[in-house]
Order: sequence, then structure tokens, then C-alpha cells
Amino acid sequence: AQSVAQPEDQVNVAEGNPLTVKCTYSVSGNPYLFWYVQYPNRGLQFLLKYITGDNLVKGSYGFEAEFNKSQTSFHLKKPSALVSDSALYFCAVRVNFGNEKLTFGTGTRLTIIP
Amino acid sequence: SAVISQKPSRDICQRGTSLTIQCQVDSQVTMMFWYRQQPGQSLTLIATANQGSEATYESGFVIDKFPISRPNLTFSTLTVSNMSPEDSSIYLCSVEGRAGQRDEQFFGPGTRLTVL
Repeated sequence: AQSVAQPEDQVNVAEGNPLTVKCTYSVSGNPYLFWYVQYPNRGLQFLLKYITGDNLVKGSYGFEAEFNKSQTSFHLKKPSALVSDSALYFCAVRVNFGNEKLTFGTGTRLTIIP
Repeated sequence: SAVISQKPSRDICQRGTSLTIQCQVDSQVTMMFWYRQQPGQSLTLIATANQGSEATYESGFVIDKFPISRPNLTFSTLTVSNMSPEDSSIYLCSVEGRAGQRDEQFFGPGTRLTVL
């Protein structure tokens, strides 16, 4: 079985400061990892993914994530937060073959304080 | 990325009635997915719908409660049957990416359902 943990329900960051949203995962096999963002009253938007290759993945809106196999983590980061980054962020995982089912974490609400 | 639309965007329904949600994609896709997002919670996969075959339901979801149609490669419907207040959720349609983006899933804007 595969699972994703987002240990923080809420993260508050001052505008201009770096931000980190944490994600750890568990799969049997090599993982495909994803970050999605959900703005109020809107569907999920794809931010970035890790499939293979460089552990540091760059995505939309200046976000990046680092894959750490030994710690089974895929934390989302941004060097300088914007108020417009305030949203709900979901980490997701699936195995890299066969079943394409995505398993989502419980989400982290990110609030950027002006 | 695929452009996905859903109808209705929101609805308020009475207990015991049914609602059919439509999902339209701007390109042909093999796999379509239906998710539920209950208030304050994460996304849960209801079923996977491939064109020309019956939908595959996840544990805890059954066809009688959530019948799905997939008449062609750009369209699907999800019906929430005999609704109760516990069915109040956002229902999201999702599709796999196009060639070169097969690893990704793209989501529609969702249908916000409130059952009284």
C-alpha cells in the first residue's frame, strides 16, 4: 500500500521569507511524486513532479521540491514567499509502474502574512 | 495540459435525490478519474473510467451509489445516487496527461455538492 503524510495542517510564513511544506511518503517500489495547489473555489493545479533524475525538481510559480530517498521525503520549497502563494497544497505519490492510482496527503494550508 | 470543465459547478440537493455531474475534456484521453474531497479533507479516488469498459471502483465505493458513464474519449458523468448529507463534498474529475505528460493528472474545477 502507498501512503503520503503531510505533518503540518497549517504553515504560516511572512512575505519574502523562504517557505517549506513537508511531505513524506511510503510506497513499495520507486515513487512518482507530485505537488498540487488548490486555490479557493478552484480545482487542483499541477505544480511539479519527481519521476527520476535530479533530486531537486523545479516547478511552476518559482516552487521547487527535493526528493530525498533515504528520508522518503519530498518537501516543497520556495526561496521567497508571496502573498499570492496562500493556498492549500497537496502532496501525492504513486508507484512507477502498473497501477496509476494517485494517493494524496491530507493537505497543508499555507498562509503568507504580508 | 488538458482543459477540463465540469457541470454543474455547485448544487444544493435534497436528501434522497440524485445528481449527475458532467466532465468534458478538450482532447481525447484514455483514462478519466473521479475523486471526492470531503470538507476539510484530502482527495479520495472514487473510480477510474476507461472508455468502452465498466468503471473500476475503489474500496468503499460501489456502482449503485456512484454510477459512471464514459460514452467517448472526451466525456464522462458521475451520478451521486440517493444522496444523504454525508455526500456533501467537492467532486473532481481528472484525466491523465497527453503524450509527454502521461505521468501527470490534470483536474477539473470541481463540483461543490451540498445535501440538505
